[in-house]
Amino acid sequence: EVQLVESGGGLVKPGGSLRLSCAASGFTFSSYSMNWVRQAPGKGLEWVSSISSSSSYIYYADSVKGRFTISRDNAKNSLYLQMNSLRAEDTAVYYCARENWNDGGRAFDIWGQGTMVTVSS
Amino acid sequence: EIVLTQSPGTLSLSPGERATLSCRASQSVSSSYLAWYQQKPGQAPRLLIYGASSRATGIPDRFSGSGSGTDFTLTISRLEPEDFAVYYCQHQLTFGGGTKVEIK
Repeated sequence: EVQLVESGGGLVKPGGSLRLSCAASGFTFSSYSMNWVRQAPGKGLEWVSSISSSSSYIYYADSVKGRFTISRDNAKNSLYLQMNSLRAEDTAVYYCARENWNDGGRAFDIWGQGTMVTVSS
Repeated sequence: EIVLTQSPGTLSLSPGERATLSCRASQSVSSSYLAWYQQKPGQAPRLLIYGASSRATGIPDRFSGSGSGTDFTLTISRLEPEDFAVYYCQHQLTFGGGTKVEIK
């Protein structure tokens, strides 16, 4: 079964750090670009960061640039998001999502169940 | 930066009715990167449509996507009880604000 499972969320104080993990199974992880997408409580979806299959290309949303670092370990079929200098506005459910090309169309076709990050004193 | 505007914000319909959801881009975009997702409360988003009009694996044929340029549409031909949810369009790394389809 194709699956993504996030972990590492929790309660952290403003200015603190957290590292999220996403474990992939059921597909060749090293062949796909991966993404982090977040959703603040009661709000819509916000793309956070992307990493290409070989880590050659990395992108960040302006809202997290300089504070978050995306990485991957293809040998461990894992995706990571290191979050530093956390702010209250980073409070959200964080999803990892697989990026896929199919029949000339690109989309996020597999999503994890999400992990909640709460930034509060 | 491309902005995606979804309308209406909320759509109140009854089971069996047709739902038409709109996604408008602030400038012309490539259909190859236009996708639609469904999200139910407490669940992760699920890919419905990619490439503006191609159904993802396992998606019923009552869901269809169309459009080009700046105007895209997701149509649900006959609403089933499980279709009441929030729907998001996406282009590249940008998501629209969502349309909630609720039971009337």
